[in-house]
Amino acid sequence: GAVVSQHPSWVICKSGTSVKIECRSLDFQATTMFWYRQFPKQSLMLMATSNEGSKATYEQGVEKDKFLINHASLTLSTLTVTSAHPEDSSFYICSATTSGGANGELFFGEGSRLTVL
Amino acid sequence: DAKTTQPNSMESNEEEPVHLPCNHSTISGTDYIHWYRQLPSQGPEYVIHGLTSNVNNRMASLAIAEDRKSSTLILHRATLRDAAVYYCILRGSNSGYALNFGKGTSLLVTP
Repeated sequence: GAVVSQHPSWVICKSGTSVKIECRSLDFQATTMFWYRQFPKQSLMLMATSNEGSKATYEQGVEKDKFLINHASLTLSTLTVTSAHPEDSSFYICSATTSGGANGELFFGEGSRLTVL
Repeated sequence: DAKTTQPNSMESNEEEPVHLPCNHSTISGTDYIHWYRQLPSQGPEYVIHGLTSNVNNRMASLAIAEDRKSSTLILHRATLRDAAVYYCILRGSNSGYALNFGKGTSLLVTP
């Protein structure tokens, strides 16, 4: 099946620094990518939807200036957590799809665990 | 967004069939019913999806009620590796075709 890879798998940073997480579709072109975050013992929460070459659409309550999303190519999207604080510590997961519409599966990355000290 | 309702948890014995229910009474005519599962500290994994007809694949079967207000994911022979949180999600234009995860059902499989 299609593979989505995230890097890094885990990262520890100091408060106030910025962290970039990459999401790559390895064997297909992803027209749309979604970013989620998941706090311990909770479900995934959709943060934003990004289409290649367009600005990301953020969910209500997600600060677009804090969580910068770039989808510059059909195989790469990046999420940058700017000026990270301990409350941003979470499991960040991306997913990608080749097709628009509701039919068809989403492929998920392995997730990136961010710990902000 | 159309919501789904699933039991918080279920338990099954290994090698027995498992029926995971999902209610979605407010489903719209164009919403697809998707099922994903998530193992601890991993990203979700696609299981199956359908619109109106029952669906089968190598992982599971999906039985969709005639009025589409409920569905059941069927694992024909549960294994220990099937222990995960199973999410039933409606995917449609109202959500921008994103998957909005609920709390899901935590499946425990005992040997």
